[in-house]
Amino acid sequence: GDSVTQMEGPVTLSEEAFLTINCTYTATGYPSLFWYVQYPGEGLQLLLKATKADDKGSNKGFEATYRKETTSFHLEKGSVQVSDSAVYFCALSDLGGNKLVFGAGTILRVKS
Amino acid sequence: GAVVSQHPSWVICKSGTSVKIECRSLDFQATTMFWYRQFPKQSLMLMATSNEGSKATYEQGVEKDKFLINHASLTLSTLTVTSAHPEDSSFYICSATETGRHEQYFGPGTRLTVT
Repeated sequence: GDSVTQMEGPVTLSEEAFLTINCTYTATGYPSLFWYVQYPGEGLQLLLKATKADDKGSNKGFEATYRKETTSFHLEKGSVQVSDSAVYFCALSDLGGNKLVFGAGTILRVKS
Repeated sequence: GAVVSQHPSWVICKSGTSVKIECRSLDFQATTMFWYRQFPKQSLMLMATSNEGSKATYEQGVEKDKFLINHASLTLSTLTVTSAHPEDSSFYICSATETGRHEQYFGPGTRLTVT
């Protein structure tokens, strides 16, 4: 079945450092890909998405590119802030667009 | 907009009792709601999909008689864990999609501890 693998955390960075969180997937067909963020005490929020190969999703300085050849959707941000500290989940959805398959989540901690 | 709430945020119950968790869409009508379970340091696992006014569709391996889901209105779905046991202790998260759309909006989750 479909699956998502993302790098284990926690990832600890200093403010203004460059962030990469790796995400790879296994799926039949061409799923849509997502990054969700969960701040402490809150529900998951959609951060960005890409629906087809070579699409780049971006939001709040974060970006990720749908790479079909490497089945990857790595999350990047050029300069992290303390307020970016959260848990980040990579996910894919099937062709129907309803079911989401999540990675295990990566905790990001940004120090000032 | 698109806020989903869950109640309670945490609950402790004794083994053998039943617990009900509510999921509400506060500012939109949700034709479809999803229930997930999350174990520590693991991903969210979809338990079931519920559509308003019809029976829930359970994922393989999820006991439908143990995890009762009701979606009686366009703004409320409930998950009842019946005859709870310590192994049911987990973090339960719901999400909802607005009628005619695919994006899921997530609740903050409910921490269940069964003693």
